[in-house]
Amino acid sequence: QVQLKESGPGLVQPSQTLSLTCTVSGFSLTSYTVSWVRQPPGKGLEWIGAIWSGGSTDYNSALKSRLSISRDTSKSQVLLKMNSLQTEDTAIYFCTRGDYWGQGVMVTVSS
Amino acid sequence: DVVLTQTPSTLSATIGQSVSISCRSSQSLLDSAGNTYLYWYLQRPGQSPQLLIYLVSNLGSGVPNRFSGSGSGTDFTLKISGVEAEDLGVYYCMQATHAPNTFGAGTKLELK
Repeated sequence: QVQLKESGPGLVQPSQTLSLTCTVSGFSLTSYTVSWVRQPPGKGLEWIGAIWSGGSTDYNSALKSRLSISRDTSKSQVLLKMNSLQTEDTAIYFCTRGDYWGQGVMVTVSS
Repeated sequence: DVVLTQTPSTLSATIGQSVSISCRSSQSLLDSAGNTYLYWYLQRPGQSPQLLIYLVSNLGSGVPNRFSGSGSGTDFTLKISGVEAEDLGVYYCMQATHAPNTFGAGTKLELK
């Protein structure tokens, strides 16, 4: 069955780089787009970016300069890297196929 | 970027009541191929979002038919015909016609 699972550090220091992995099963990354979405505590959903089935990417305009999304199709993984983290980047980070979502991973930016 | 404006921000309903949520876009979501990439999601407390409606009016897998979506261009509506207790949570519209994708701010459905 289709599953997505996020993994990564729960705590990141300010100005450091966040690296998250989304491991998928039940479908091929070359057939579906996978997106990243985040949700600060008590707030709404924010679309971060996506990697399309063909491998091209799109990013949130406000985050574009700090973001990189890539994939390793042999491992069925989508990778998110965001640099220069600030406290405002504290959020639950989800990966999603649109119709299926991971459980999310909480990332706290704090010294 | 496309701005999606959801109204109301909070909705109080009784069980069995029918309610509607509006999602208005800052520009038309109809693309050159005739597709409209407007989606509705429900996020229950403590859970990941769940897809309710895709492409304006198509019911997601396993979604009860008391949910329906309608609209075109810049104006879209999600209707729940007979609210049930499991429908409580925050509803979001999302557009994927114009990159980057954007979400509305959400509508919280609570019990009156």
